[in-house]
Amino acid sequence: DAMVIQNPRYQVTQFGKPVTLSCSQTLNHNVMYWYQQKSSQAPKLLFHYYDKDFNNEADTPDNFQSRRPNTSFCFLDIRSPGLGDAAMYLCATSRGGSNQPQHFGDGTRLSIL
Amino acid sequence: RKEVEQDPGPFNVPEGATVAFNCTYSNSASQSFFWYRQDCRKEPKLLMSVYSSGNEDGRFTAQLNRASQYISLLIRDSKLSDSATYLCVVNNPASGTYKYIFGTGTRLKVLA
Repeated sequence: DAMVIQNPRYQVTQFGKPVTLSCSQTLNHNVMYWYQQKSSQAPKLLFHYYDKDFNNEADTPDNFQSRRPNTSFCFLDIRSPGLGDAAMYLCATSRGGSNQPQHFGDGTRLSIL
Repeated sequence: RKEVEQDPGPFNVPEGATVAFNCTYSNSASQSFFWYRQDCRKEPKLLMSVYSSGNEDGRFTAQLNRASQYISLLIRDSKLSDSATYLCVVNNPASGTYKYIFGTGTRLKVLA
């Protein structure tokens, strides 16, 4: 029944070692988002896609990249993870247009050794 | 001033109690409002959208006060399973159609 699926649920990587997180959706939503959430903080938007149109937030570090090869899949690449990148990474989707709620995946909890 | 502000709590209430949270937003042009619940170390889950006229879903009632720029969530007959963090989310299309601003959440603990 899961409609936004993130893999893996837990990811451990080494300092500086590239890591890729994945997200897929069965909702056929136009918009896909990546958020970073640290403990006791609000989710922070990193970027979003409207279809293939990529929108980066101004304060998203260059270390974070994203790919959306098709409607269903979206990836978050962290090129050189630092200790400060340890967090929960949340993928969300929504229909196009305003007033649309977002639907979140279970999240990937990233740890950096 | 933060764009979206919530009292972090925790609100400790006994089972069966009625509890209400507010969330204030700074941008008067904001148009879309939502409440999400988030359990510890889990993803946010949509609880309800907030409509101008107010809306109800079972034990949950959401209200929007545009004049004072806040939204509220009322939970009646609290259950132990209502214990969670409640996130307020606001969207102002002028800032970006797909830029949703999250509050840091209000933590609710329902006690047996």
